[in-house]
Amino acid sequence: ILNVEQSPQSLHVQEGDSTNFTCSFPSSNFYALHWYRWETAKSPEALFVMTLNGDEKKKGRISATLNTKEGYSYLYIKGSQPEDSATYLCAFNWGNTGKLIFGQGTTLQVKP
Amino acid sequence: DTGVSQDPRHKITKRGQNVTFRCDPISEHNRLYWYRQTLGQGPEFLTYFQNEAQLEKSRLLSDRFSAERPKGSFSTLEIQRTEQGDSAMYLCASSGGGDTQYFGPGTRLTVL
Repeated sequence: ILNVEQSPQSLHVQEGDSTNFTCSFPSSNFYALHWYRWETAKSPEALFVMTLNGDEKKKGRISATLNTKEGYSYLYIKGSQPEDSATYLCAFNWGNTGKLIFGQGTTLQVKP
Repeated sequence: DTGVSQDPRHKITKRGQNVTFRCDPISEHNRLYWYRQTLGQGPEFLTYFQNEAQLEKSRLLSDRFSAERPKGSFSTLEIQRTEQGDSAMYLCASSGGGDTQYFGPGTRLTVL
């Protein structure tokens, strides 16, 4: 059974705090790891696709790292802003089948 | 707007009725995916198409579910004899050969 786990399930932080989330996935037959941001009433937005062990990607204040040997990825948000409030989903591509296996998401609330 | 669009955005139906959802992918994207998300869970893969060919179907897709992509452009997902357990967000995504899947805003189905 292929399982993707995200922690924590939810997080409340103050504006300006930095935060990070974890995504754990099966380390066998790895193809790619995706991070999405999903705001209420909008489409999930692709943040990163990572394929290589040790990959680090950055987009503004958001960055992500990947460890395929131990099966985890971290997403970091530096200096959280209220507009960062969303659910962050990670998804695992197993063996280039095309289908994504999602974690349950981490819901972030940033208080002004 | 050239993103993925879905119609309708919301659908309320009575148990036993049939419903059909439409997805218009990004133009020229040859792969199209359907996912379902229930409360507190991440999206779950249902099926995907490469052009007009349906290449994979999840075991979640019971006989009451059927998906088509007749001309390799838009796709429809039909649910026959809806049940309360079918209440969920139905998401469509498309990709153009790269790894990133671009999602639509979803259709929220409520079965009474």
